[in-house]
Amino acid sequence: GAGVSQSPSNKVTEKGKDVELRCDPISGHTALYWYRQSLGQGLEFLIYFQGNSAPDKSGLPSDRFSAERTGGSVSTLTIQRTQQEDSAVYLCASSFAYSGANVLTFGAGSRLTVL
Amino acid sequence: GQQVMQIPQYQHVQEGEDFTTYCNSSTTLSNIQWYKQRPGGHPVFLIQLVKSGEVKKQKRLTFQFGEAKKNSSLHITATQTTDVGTYFCAGRAGAGNMLTFGGGTRLMVKP
Repeated sequence: GAGVSQSPSNKVTEKGKDVELRCDPISGHTALYWYRQSLGQGLEFLIYFQGNSAPDKSGLPSDRFSAERTGGSVSTLTIQRTQQEDSAVYLCASSFAYSGANVLTFGAGSRLTVL
Repeated sequence: GQQVMQIPQYQHVQEGEDFTTYCNSSTTLSNIQWYKQRPGGHPVFLIQLVKSGEVKKQKRLTFQFGEAKKNSSLHITATQTTDVGTYFCAGRAGAGNMLTFGGGTRLMVKP
């Protein structure tokens, strides 16, 4: 597609349930980021994928959070046993990885509400 | 690890006043980018600076990259209500390294 696609756009879930958020990056983009943004706050880095390299998971807030990227394209962020503090907008962004062309294109985000 | 700080966190201005946000990195950057996020939207790329001391302009917006490539600024002349949003800087410390975002500056403009 022409842009970064994220689904679902909105997700309401009950505390304790698992959720999966999907990101479909721009074709050919080897770098993919996940961020979390709470209302009125900045971008909280979660995880970074670059090609076939091991992902940088240093931003994942707990072991309830995990992400994978299959075939170097689509990525799924999974949150297990959701808590109310997980409520936020989860943003995915992708880019080429080489210097001079590493501008990030963001998706519209997935808004997660945990009741 | 690399840290990127932005100040101020918030700024209220009267329409027509100028606005500046500052970005400082703990390490030398290979390039710096600026993004704008409108309320309810997602960040959108504005510009990239690569060279030491580089200055770029986009209409009323002036972007500057410091000589040491560790700081940057965005200046808006004569703000308009359409400038409302959060401005983020993002720095890259070297080839192949990931982008690190600053905390953002939220600009509010009173008509």
